[in-house]
Amino acid sequence: DADVTQTPRNRITKTGKRIMLECSQTKGHDRMYWYRQDPGLGLRLIYYSFDVKDINKGEISDGYSVSRQAQAKFSLSLESAIPNQTALYFCATSGRDGYTFGSGTRLTVV
Amino acid sequence: AQSVTQLDSHVSVSEGTPVLLRCNYSSSYSPSLFWYVQHPNKGLQLLLKYTSAATLVKGINGFEAEFKKSETSFHLTKPSAHMSDAAEYFCVRGGYQKVTFGTGTKLQVIP
Repeated sequence: DADVTQTPRNRITKTGKRIMLECSQTKGHDRMYWYRQDPGLGLRLIYYSFDVKDINKGEISDGYSVSRQAQAKFSLSLESAIPNQTALYFCATSGRDGYTFGSGTRLTVV
Repeated sequence: AQSVTQLDSHVSVSEGTPVLLRCNYSSSYSPSLFWYVQHPNKGLQLLLKYTSAATLVKGINGFEAEFKKSETSFHLTKPSAHMSDAAEYFCVRGGYQKVTFGTGTKLQVIP
């Protein structure tokens, strides 16, 4: 099993719909992150969490929200999806052994 | 702001020739630096990391990187490119609160 698991792997949704991307980890790390990847822009941080009670906005948090349900679970929500949120989304954890990324969720908003 | 700059968006090499992917960082102190690789339709895989223990860092698949404080650089190299090296490579800076990604370099390997 992967250390960081993201679901779904792919999703197509309509403009205005609410969608949740889920992330779970078996690394035992306290720190978790959500990034989006767009061609030519690298990965940009959406939200991060240092523990269950700690949630912080990243550089592009507008239009997104997160929930840290447990140490191992960190979900990202798009309350009302819009086409420019079409991207590849990565969840990551970090600990003493560095950062571990999930395989990504490819989201398309039509 | 702390940042990393990948100087080339695309690099093309012939199979069997050396690879050089360039990365510069901005900082007033020694950062934690990483190189990640992303193959098409795959997630990010750690190639190597620098955490001040040694300036020359060896990673997986024959890659290595040298931390040069005087040049604020952390370039990724490999003596001989293989077709399987074709991917996108990200120079990444680790920080206390978050990690900062370079914009990526796509490596093309020509047979």
